[in-house]
Amino acid sequence: GENVEQHPSTLSVQEGDSAVIKCTYSDSASNYFPWYKQELGKRPQLIIDIRSNVGEKKDQRIAVTLNKTAKHFSLHITETQPEDSAVYFCAALSSGNTPLVFGKGTRLSVIA
Amino acid sequence: NAGVTQTPKFRVLKTGQSMTLLCAQDMNHEYMYWYRQDPGMGLRLIHYSVGEGTTAKGEVPDGYNVSRLKKQNFLLGLESAAPSQTSVYFCASSLKGSTEAFFGQGTRLTVV
Repeated sequence: GENVEQHPSTLSVQEGDSAVIKCTYSDSASNYFPWYKQELGKRPQLIIDIRSNVGEKKDQRIAVTLNKTAKHFSLHITETQPEDSAVYFCAALSSGNTPLVFGKGTRLSVIA
Repeated sequence: NAGVTQTPKFRVLKTGQSMTLLCAQDMNHEYMYWYRQDPGMGLRLIHYSVGEGTTAKGEVPDGYNVSRLKKQNFLLGLESAAPSQTSVYFCASSLKGSTEAFFGQGTRLTVV
């Protein structure tokens, strides 16, 4: 089955700097890659997703890139703000009726 | 539109007791999932369902059972609770596999 590795597990950045979180997946048939943000004590919520037919997607200060050949995808947050502090999860979906497989998460701290 | 609702929000069980966690969604979603979240372990899939009357095992199914008798409800049962089942449990649903998963607010379960 699918296996998703996520790095780093913790990340601290100064406010205004950029943050990058990377994930690798094992199943070359995977075609859907969402990113979830979980604030302290809250539920995970989707922030951006990308499908295998595109290489990059942007939404204001966040962007996701996908390299199908290398089987990795990354989340980029620019101009970080304190409210970006949270745990971020990447996930991958193989195909058919298989469920999403999540990475172990990255705890991002934005220091003011 | 309530989205995904979990009942209860908190529970303390004694070892060996049983309980059922209820997940209800009002979005007419086909897919429903149960995850557990432990520190440093991310979101681990317990069981999932791709439609009414169907269930499948996830990554960590031992000690849990599920039922999906109605499309809008997904029940997670613990027949004989163990301290290792102390965790935060999240239910989620999605229209299909490759669409946004919406999470419930979580259930914090402590087994003593």
